[in-house]
Amino acid sequence: DIVMTQSPDSLAVSLGERATINCRSSQSVLFSSNNKNYLGWYQQKPGQPPKLLIYWASTRESGVPDRFSGSGSGTDFTLTISSLQAEDVAVYYCHQYYSTPLTFGGGTKVEIK
Amino acid sequence: DVQLVESGGGLVQPGGSLRLSCAASGFTFTSHDMHWVRQGKGKGLEWVSAIGAAGDTFYSGSVKGRFTISRENARNSLYLQMNSLSAGDTAVYYCARQGVDPRDGQFNAMDVWGLGTTVIVSS
Repeated sequence: DIVMTQSPDSLAVSLGERATINCRSSQSVLFSSNNKNYLGWYQQKPGQPPKLLIYWASTRESGVPDRFSGSGSGTDFTLTISSLQAEDVAVYYCHQYYSTPLTFGGGTKVEIK
Repeated sequence: DVQLVESGGGLVQPGGSLRLSCAASGFTFTSHDMHWVRQGKGKGLEWVSAIGAAGDTFYSGSVKGRFTISRENARNSLYLQMNSLSAGDTAVYYCARQGVDPRDGQFNAMDVWGLGTTVIVSS
């Protein structure tokens, strides 16, 4: 199984400041035949289902604000919120869809400082 | 609108069974693999099972042999039959659609999720 490890578990950021979440996979999720990283990022607010933000590690889902960006390749990935807004308070999960069993990181809780 | 609506959750005794359903609408159901993902109270996301558009099935180790995923394309419906339930299966169960990249048709991350149905296993 591919283990997804996120850090930090939680972080508090001032409004308008940058938030950075890291995710590491226990093995590469880069598929060599198409050079795509099978890595997604989700946002989950209390009482709501997860919402897809980023797929292929760096492609923003339609309708997602451009302050959200994803980067990385292979086993190391980052989700960046360039200018934190109040509505960004949530738990964020990385997710690999490279192989079954599909797995998620443990989540990072983002709060306002 | 693209929508997934789960049903069938409830309270069940340890060792009991439950069947979850997910009704899909607003998209071509037969073109997508479908998943069940669960989340214990205050916990993270755990993938449970998937079924391909062609009917091939996949399970997490924690449910293999106890849960059965199926789909009924004529009814745009996804199911999860859960047997031999234990307290560890208590969770919100989400139905989710496997996305397809519109640029090249390749399967993608789960892009549409239902609101979930709650399963509580307790005596």
